[in-house]
Amino acid sequence: GNSVTQMEGPVTLSEEAFLTINCTYTATGYPSLFWYVQYPGEGLQLLLKATKADDKGSNKGFEATYRKETTSFHLEKGSVQVSDSAVYFCALSDYGGSQGNLIFGKGTKLSVKP
Amino acid sequence: NAGVMQNPRHLVRRRGQEARLRCSPMKGHSHVYWYRQLPEEGLKFMVYLQKENIIDESGMPKERFSAEFPKEGPSILRIQQVVRGDSAAYFCASSPVGTTSTDTQYFGPGTRLTVL
Repeated sequence: GNSVTQMEGPVTLSEEAFLTINCTYTATGYPSLFWYVQYPGEGLQLLLKATKADDKGSNKGFEATYRKETTSFHLEKGSVQVSDSAVYFCALSDYGGSQGNLIFGKGTKLSVKP
Repeated sequence: NAGVMQNPRHLVRRRGQEARLRCSPMKGHSHVYWYRQLPEEGLKFMVYLQKENIIDESGMPKERFSAEFPKEGPSILRIQQVVRGDSAAYFCASSPVGTTSTDTQYFGPGTRLTVL
């Protein structure tokens, strides 16, 4: 079945450090891939998405490239800020497999220290 | 354009009571999804609805849980005879179309249910 695996947290970085959060997926069809961010006590906000192979999603300095050959969608940011502290969720949507509902990874908690 | 609205934001119930969670989708969105987030876990899909139709309820527990999205008014997730294991954050999401995998789902702030 469809699934998403993302690196376990928590991840603790100093301000201006480089961030990578790994995400790999298994899907039966041609999924779209998403990164959502959840700030403490809030709902999920879409951070970025990619809908086909080799697409790059980007937003607020974050980037992720849809790699079909490695079934990956790793999240990167060149210089993190304290305000980036949150939980990050990788997700996929596979119309062929799941009517479009999202399948989430377990989330990776990021803490950025000043 | 208001986002997805959920109420209440926090709900406390005693074991055996009923919980009703409401979700108003974004304006122009006719597809609603409910997800549950257990502590330290990712979100798990529960049910997908369009107006007056349940499209996919494969993630709903077989007993005590039901959902509706009437022609008028918000979508309702109803949990009867709550147990402590129902304590979780329940998130609603909406999308404009819902039947293509490229659609973005927009999430509400969630309802945090605590069962005493």
